[in-house]
Amino acid sequence: AQSVSQHNHHVILSEAASLELGCNYSYGGTVNLFWYVQYPGQHLQLLLKYFSGDPLVKGIKGFEAEFIKSKFSFNLRKPSVQWSDTAEYFCAVTQGFQKLVFGTGTRLLVSP
Amino acid sequence: DAGITQSPRYKITETGRQVTLMCHQTWSHSYMFWYRQDLGHGLRLIYYSAAADITDKGEVPDGYVVSRSKTENFPLTLESATRSQTSVYFCASSKQVGETQYFGPGTRLLVL
Repeated sequence: AQSVSQHNHHVILSEAASLELGCNYSYGGTVNLFWYVQYPGQHLQLLLKYFSGDPLVKGIKGFEAEFIKSKFSFNLRKPSVQWSDTAEYFCAVTQGFQKLVFGTGTRLLVSP
Repeated sequence: DAGITQSPRYKITETGRQVTLMCHQTWSHSYMFWYRQDLGHGLRLIYYSAAADITDKGEVPDGYVVSRSKTENFPLTLESATRSQTSVYFCASSKQVGETQYFGPGTRLLVL
């Protein structure tokens, strides 16, 4: 069965620092990849997704993610974080027409 | 554009009581999902539905019942609530499985 690992459970950064959150999945075939964000007290929102094509995907609010098939990874990046990026970030993966499998999430705290 | 709504947003109940959480979507999406979110576990799929009258178990279905008599509604029932079911419950929908899921605002359930 597909599994998703997010190695960083908690990340604390200062404003303007660069961010990279790791995501690795277990299945080696064709996958759809997602990053969702959950701001405090809110529901999950789609940040970006990869289905095919350019492995460097740009999402909302300056986030991007790179799909590296050989490493089974889909790491999330942002060059300069803001206080408003404080949230929990979830990586999710599907294979073919299978259901979404979520990672356990990474809580990001950005200090002003 | 209501999107996907959940009710109630907050619920306190007692062990052994039956509780129903409602989910309604206005997009006519085929697929609907119920997740629970718990610290350290991320989001875990409880049940999902591919269409009206078609439902299937997810990762953690025990103690829950679902139905889908209409495409737009997907209620989740806890037949006899237990303290371990204290959680935040999210409903989601998508056009097809494997595609982007759109989440509702969540229901915070406390079982005393």
